[in-house]
Amino acid sequence: AQSVTQPDIHITVSEGASLELRCNYSYGATPYLFWYVQSPGQGLQLLLKYFSGDTLVQGIKGFEAEFKRSQSSFNLRKPSVHWSDAAEYFCAVGPFGNEKLTFGTGTRLTIIP
Amino acid sequence: EPEVTQTPSHQVTQMGQEVILRCVPISNHLYFYWYRQILGQKVEFLVSFYNNEISEKSEIFDDQFSVERPDGSNFTLKIRSTKLEDSAMYFCASSEGYRDGYTFGSGTRLTVV
Repeated sequence: AQSVTQPDIHITVSEGASLELRCNYSYGATPYLFWYVQSPGQGLQLLLKYFSGDTLVQGIKGFEAEFKRSQSSFNLRKPSVHWSDAAEYFCAVGPFGNEKLTFGTGTRLTIIP
Repeated sequence: EPEVTQTPSHQVTQMGQEVILRCVPISNHLYFYWYRQILGQKVEFLVSFYNNEISEKSEIFDDQFSVERPDGSNFTLKIRSTKLEDSAMYFCASSEGYRDGYTFGSGTRLTVV
């Protein structure tokens, strides 16, 4: 069965600092990987997705993620965070097609001035 | 940018009552989903819907749940007899195709008292 692990429940970074959120997945075939962001009281917004090809994918809001098959990882990065990036971040994995996504437990990001 | 619209944003209901959560997916999307997120927990898949029928459902989606696309634009989730443990944020999502990722609505917070 597919699964996603986000080992960091809560991360605090200073505004302007770099950010990396970790995501490890378990899936028997080539996965389809996603990062979503959820601001308080809001829905889930797609940041970026990986299906195939270039293992470094660019997303919205200056985020990027790198797929590393050998490490079963899909870590999210941003070179310089802004206070507006404070939110909950979810990694998700899905099979080919339109079947269900399996989400990680999320990482809450706090930004300090 | 097209949005998935969910109504109401917050609903309070008494245990044992029926509730209907409403969603208007993006107009050219073909695949529809319901997910839920119990407070502080991960986002969980409930059901997927395509071509006017359920394509997959989770073990959570038991006989008290049903989905319907009554008029070609709305997509509803009905809970026949609510339980306290149904209290959660319910997200509707839609997708055009398998490489797109989903677009999520902003959610309906259901509180069962």
